[in-house]
Amino acid sequence: GENVEQHPSTLSVQEGDSAVIKCTYSDSASNYFPWYKQELGKGPQLIIDIRSNVGEKKDQRIAVTLNKTAKHFSLHITETQPEDSAVYFCAPLRGGSEKLVFGKGTKLTVNP
Amino acid sequence: EPEVTQTPSHQVTQMGQEVILRCVPISNHLYFYWYRQILGQKVEFLVSFYNNEISEKSEIFDDQFSVERPDGSNFTLKIRSTKLEDSAMYFCASTEGLYEQFFGPGTRLTVL
Repeated sequence: GENVEQHPSTLSVQEGDSAVIKCTYSDSASNYFPWYKQELGKGPQLIIDIRSNVGEKKDQRIAVTLNKTAKHFSLHITETQPEDSAVYFCAPLRGGSEKLVFGKGTKLTVNP
Repeated sequence: EPEVTQTPSHQVTQMGQEVILRCVPISNHLYFYWYRQILGQKVEFLVSFYNNEISEKSEIFDDQFSVERPDGSNFTLKIRSTKLEDSAMYFCASTEGLYEQFFGPGTRLTVL
């Protein structure tokens, strides 16, 4: 089955710094690459996604970059704020499947 | 903004009892999902449902589990005879068309 790895598992930054989380996947048939944010006691919230025909997508302070050859995609958060503190999950989707395969998550802490 | 809702937020049951977890997906969505998250672990896919039938399921989704869309708005997950290891957060998700799965807030199931 699909193997999804996230790095780092924890990340602590100062407010205003940038944060980068990397997701590596094994299934070359993956064609959809979302990032979810999960705050304590809540469900995963879709924050940004990218399809396999695009290399980069940006939405205000967050961006996702995709390297299909190397089979990894990354979440970039600039000008971090304390409310960005949460657990972030990548969850690639294989073409033809409906099953998001979640990574183990990265706990981001933004210190004021 | 439309949201996926789930009830109850917390369900406590005795081992061997049946439980039904309820979800109201976003109204114009056509694809429905259940995922679970054991405490401190990653989110795992259970089942997907489209056009009134299961379209994909994981090895976790055995004969003890069933799903139903009893009317035009609800989507339910039934566990027939709960086990201790069924204790987890259960998330419902929905999407209009295969991508961009939106998650509900979850139901915490505790099996005693």
